[in-house]
Amino acid sequence: EAGVAQSPRYKIIEKRQSVAFWCNPISGHATLYWYQQILGQGPKLLIQFQNNGVVDDSQLPKDRFSAERLKGVDSTLKIQPAKLEDSAVYLCASSPQAVSYNEQFFGPGTRLTVL
Amino acid sequence: KNQVEQSPQSLIILEGKNCTLQCNYTVSPFSNLRWYKQDTGRGPVSLTIMTFSENTKSNGRYTATLDADTKQSSLHITASQLSDSASYICVVSSNTGGFKTIFGAGTRLFVKA
Repeated sequence: EAGVAQSPRYKIIEKRQSVAFWCNPISGHATLYWYQQILGQGPKLLIQFQNNGVVDDSQLPKDRFSAERLKGVDSTLKIQPAKLEDSAVYLCASSPQAVSYNEQFFGPGTRLTVL
Repeated sequence: KNQVEQSPQSLIILEGKNCTLQCNYTVSPFSNLRWYKQDTGRGPVSLTIMTFSENTKSNGRYTATLDADTKQSSLHITASQLSDSASYICVVSSNTGGFKTIFGAGTRLFVKA
């Protein structure tokens, strides 16, 4: 079974530039998550999708971050404009359904550096 | 406030030795607790999951314990190997209508030859 795919793996941009990350979840997984992991910290949930609907985006900085999952499969996360404090690893995860006992399967992450 | 705290922040041990990582949580209502292993440059991978009624669960050389009364969990690693070098993240889920998942900051384990 193929895992969660993410691209790019690394991205370096200057502040105020825009950037987009892509995630392809495990086939058949209805739930998709985007996390931000700052160095030395645990992942912080940015947004959770159930199919193509948003379940939780309470911690998404909506003035600069946006995410979509148009067909209920792939997802993109965009930052516009980026700030220095956005430097982090952005992890995508998926699970079969949005229930607490379902394991979340994580992709390798995209490491973003904002200069 | 729902929180998950892990200790120690980092740990260095010699190959072959045992170690125990701690997780304290204040998440309520409690649904389950997972331990994840995160290798450098990779996403976390689940090691164990425990519900309220489970006290201990093993996965090879990894043994997790849960005391739901004191809201504490531990992850014991037996006969450590170099490949155990990673971050270990405690994650607690709460059922509140939907559900919330709260991640700890992790313990960074270094196993030296």
